[in-house]
Order: sequence, then structure tokens, then C-alpha cells
Amino acid sequence: TQLLEQSPQFLSIQEGENLTVYCNSSSVFSSLQWYRQEPGEGPVLLVTVVTGGEVKKLKRLTFQFGDARKDSSLHITAAQPGDTGLYLCAGYQRGSNYKLTFGKGTLLTVNP
Amino acid sequence: NAGVTQTPKFRVLKTGQSMTLLCAQDMNHEYMYWYRQDPGMGLRLIHYSVGEGTTAKGEVPDGYNVSRLKKQNFLLGLESAAPSQTSVYFCASRDYSGGTPNEQFFGPGTRLTVL
Repeated sequence: TQLLEQSPQFLSIQEGENLTVYCNSSSVFSSLQWYRQEPGEGPVLLVTVVTGGEVKKLKRLTFQFGDARKDSSLHITAAQPGDTGLYLCAGYQRGSNYKLTFGKGTLLTVNP
Repeated sequence: NAGVTQTPKFRVLKTGQSMTLLCAQDMNHEYMYWYRQDPGMGLRLIHYSVGEGTTAKGEVPDGYNVSRLKKQNFLLGLESAAPSQTSVYFCASRDYSGGTPNEQFFGPGTRLTVL
């Protein structure tokens, strides 16, 4: 059973379109992180959300943590080919500050 | 700073062979991790360490052993490789946080194929 469910698994869009990626769980997380991974490289942290209902913006990327701290979303406005990559959500469960649990990832392709 | 480095980058093994993957970090981080990444499976934690001389099992520890004799190094061993261990292995490190969800810094990965 996957603790963190990401959807969609694959997403192919045209440059300029908007998109949203979802990360859902039945468990409560003390914090959630979003990482981006490019082919042949390790994941790189984009953002950490800690407070229920928190919204963070990183240029054209908007991240939201659900009020109950069980879900998160990543919204990209006016996607560009440089946004192409694997987006991974990951969370620290309550009482487990050492271990991150990862979702399976969303592979995004932005076509010019 | 080199960050997190992994050796080797690629390796091909025959079933039953053994090998050790080396991870090194120069950020003086307390926590270190080994993950494996398989298509459609995301990252799964194999073993981790919260300090020099300590190790603990993660989600998928069977068939792997680890050692953290020095703070900057975390070794992952496969005693008798199996085709099911064909994967991309990532090492990561993280600073001690006192409760703060600090960033995990990842190495570039080791692509292992077991024939």
C-alpha cells in the first residue's frame, strides 16, 4: 500500500498550459516536501510545507498543504519546456523525523 | 563543496556476486540514507543512519547491509546480488534538524544491473 498517492502518474502538455499535480494520503504528515528530478540526476528540493493550509509560491509554481495535513498539490502556471521532469512529493510522518516517505512521482513533459 | 558523491556511477554484476557502493558527503551532515528507484515505484528507503556508528532498516532492507564507520561515508553492500536488485541507487544526506524538516541532498545515483 502506497502511503502517498500521486496523480497523475504521467502528464504531457503544451508550453503555456497550466497543470496541477496531486499528492494524497489517509495519514497525517508533520510536513511535506516536493522534489524535482531530471534524467540521470538525483532529486532536488523545491519546497517544504509545514502548516495545514499553507500556500507557498516559487515563481510559476504554487504549492499547497491541505488543512488536515494529509494532502498537497503543486500547480504550475504557463508551463515551459524547462519544467519537464519527475516531480516527487515526500512527507515526514508524525513521530518519525528521520524518514521521508516518497510518492511514486509524476512525470511531466512540456512540449514546445 | 562536492555535496554528495557516489561511487561507482554504473556497474554490471552477475547473480551471486558481491559489491559495495560508496557514498560520501562533505557537508558534515548527521543523517544519511540509501534509496533505490525503480520505474513507477518512486524512491524506497533501504537503510539509513542518524549518526556515525549507527544504522537502521528502512522499507526494503532485505539483501542489503550498510556501515557508517565515518560520519562522512555511508556504504551499501550487496553480499549476493540478485536480478531483483537491478535498480538505480541514490544516497542522500541531511543536517540534524531538531524537528525541522530539513532538505535531503541527493547524490547523482548509481545504476546497477544484475544479470
